[in-house]
Amino acid sequence: ETGVTQTPRHLVMGMTNKKSLKCEQHLGHNAMYWYKQSAKKPLELMFVYSLEERVENNSVPSRFSPECPNSSHLFLHLHTLQPEDSALYLCASSQGQGNEQYFGPGTRLTVT
Amino acid sequence: AQRVTQPEKLLSVFKGAPVELKCNYSYSGSPELFWYVQYSRQRLQLLLRHISRESIKGFTADLNKGETSFHLKKPFAQEEDSAMYYCALEFSSGSARQLTFGSGTQLTVLP
Repeated sequence: ETGVTQTPRHLVMGMTNKKSLKCEQHLGHNAMYWYKQSAKKPLELMFVYSLEERVENNSVPSRFSPECPNSSHLFLHLHTLQPEDSALYLCASSQGQGNEQYFGPGTRLTVT
Repeated sequence: AQRVTQPEKLLSVFKGAPVELKCNYSYSGSPELFWYVQYSRQRLQLLLRHISRESIKGFTADLNKGETSFHLKKPFAQEEDSAMYYCALEFSSGSARQLTFGSGTQLTVLP
């Protein structure tokens, strides 16, 4: 598989569940990002990792917990989500910050 | 605070007609601007960035600092240009470089 992959592609979870979204990039990049895309809002940056260190957390609620174990993998751990967290979650990567970002296909999350 | 505004949610033009997708930004620093595109059933991808000053798929965009605009233009639209277009501004926040996106414009090119 090439580029940026995300699993699962679709996820339905209850408000009391714990789940994780996975992102993997096969491009040799050293920066990775989580974005949230809601139906009526612009694409919002959630987290930035550079060289496996979190460099930005855009006031995201603690029910979202990112993890970057190495430069190729990025996780978003989810727990006690709210229905308004239902959205498309996109992962992206780049070689250094400030360069073209390559996006994954996204995970469509529905919180019931 | 930095912001990107795309005033048109939907834009329809006929094939062969010129097309302009509007983007305005607010940012106190030196802006770096991008256009990203998402074709149907494909992932979001970079179309062009102002710093490279190149034409991609016939599209160009000029940064106008006086008007704080970065409109995307193409003289003759093609049906395959139908897609969602996002303008994005890159800025520094602490040690991070971030992109903030506009809300997007859905372009439909009619036959």
